[in-house]
Amino acid sequence: SQTIHQWPATLVQPVGSPLSLECTVEGTSNPNLYWYRQAAGRGLQLLFYSVGIGQISSEVPQNLSASRPQDRQFILSSKKLLLSDSGFYLCAWGTGTGFFETQYFGPGTRLLVL
Amino acid sequence: GDSVTQMEGPVTLSEEAFLTINCTYTATGYPSLFWYVQYPGEGLQLLLKATKADDKGSNKGFEATYRKETTSFHLEKGSVQVSDSAVYFCALRTPSGSARQLTFGSGTQLTVLP
Repeated sequence: SQTIHQWPATLVQPVGSPLSLECTVEGTSNPNLYWYRQAAGRGLQLLFYSVGIGQISSEVPQNLSASRPQDRQFILSSKKLLLSDSGFYLCAWGTGTGFFETQYFGPGTRLLVL
Repeated sequence: GDSVTQMEGPVTLSEEAFLTINCTYTATGYPSLFWYVQYPGEGLQLLLKATKADDKGSNKGFEATYRKETTSFHLEKGSVQVSDSAVYFCALRTPSGSARQLTFGSGTQLTVLP
């Protein structure tokens, strides 16, 4: 069966510090991968998605970047964190084709920028 | 653009009460519809989905029917349990535009009291 891992689970970082959040998927090959952010009391916003190694699409302009160095690894990064980067970051992988894809989410990373 | 509107929470019910969480949508074409659940401190889990009009998704006693005429996908459960306390998100994907992007509602917090 497929599983998705995210770490760390919780992170407290000072403003201006770098960020690296990692997501890995097991039990599937060539998945579509996604990063979402959930701000406190709000819904989810898609940040990035990737359909293959080295292929990254950004949905919103921001202070963050994403990379996919391996088939089942997706990394979210920032060179200098802002207070507004605080939130709950969710990685997801997708199975199925295009419109019929179903997305499955990881446990999330809670980031607090102080 | 596409959007999802959920009833505002929080919703508080007693155990064994009937649950309805309303969800309506605006979308181009005929979207796929989803309900996700987020238990405290965890990521999102897919609860159920429907991909065409009049489809009924069901899982763990929850049901939702895809109503094209009213553009709705209301979540129902006949008898809630304390363990159902969570945040529930309605989401859609349309075949136009970015076929990968899920559009989420803002979520509805459900608390079930013993």
